[in-house]
Amino acid sequence: GDSVTQMEGPVTLSEEAFLTINCTYTATGYPSLFWYVQYPGEGLQLLLKATKADDKGSNKGFEATYRKETTSFHLEKGSVQVSDSAVYFCALSNTGFQKLVFGTGTRLLVSP
Amino acid sequence: DAGITQSPRHKVTETGTPVTLRCHQTENHRYMYWYRQDPGHGLRLIHYSYGVKDTDKGEVSDGYSVSRSKTEDFLLTLESATSSQTSVYFCAISARTGGRETGELFFGEGSRLTVL
Repeated sequence: GDSVTQMEGPVTLSEEAFLTINCTYTATGYPSLFWYVQYPGEGLQLLLKATKADDKGSNKGFEATYRKETTSFHLEKGSVQVSDSAVYFCALSNTGFQKLVFGTGTRLLVSP
Repeated sequence: DAGITQSPRHKVTETGTPVTLRCHQTENHRYMYWYRQDPGHGLRLIHYSYGVKDTDKGEVSDGYSVSRSKTEDFLLTLESATSSQTSVYFCAISARTGGRETGELFFGEGSRLTVL
């Protein structure tokens, strides 16, 4: 079945450092890919998405490019802030957006 | 805010007791979901609904049942709670544009359940 694999955390960075969180997927067909973020004590919220190969999703300084050849959707940000500390989930949808499959999440800790 | 409320937000119960979690939405969305979140597992789909009285199983449905008698309410029931069902439970609804799902889910704030 479809699955998503994320790098294990926590990822610990200093403010203004460059961020990469790796995500790879296994799916049949042409899934859509998502990054969700969960701040402490809250539910998940959509950060960005890409619906076809070579699409780049972006939001709040975060970017991710849908790479079909490497089945990857890595999340990047050029300069992280303390407020970016959260858990980040990669996800895919392969059923007309009716169901999402999530990765295990990667915790990001940013120190001043 | 997407207009999703979960209740109760916190509950402690004993093994073998029934538990019902409620998800209420004010957005009139067709698709509703129940996920559980556990360390090392991320979010796993328990059940989902695609309309009133229309539900289907997710990947971890054993020990859970759901009901949807009104568009706005989606109930998750643990008939006889076990310690393995200690978790944080999230309800979600699916965003729609132009009559089609967009893939974006709006999540409630979660219900933390502890089974002793």
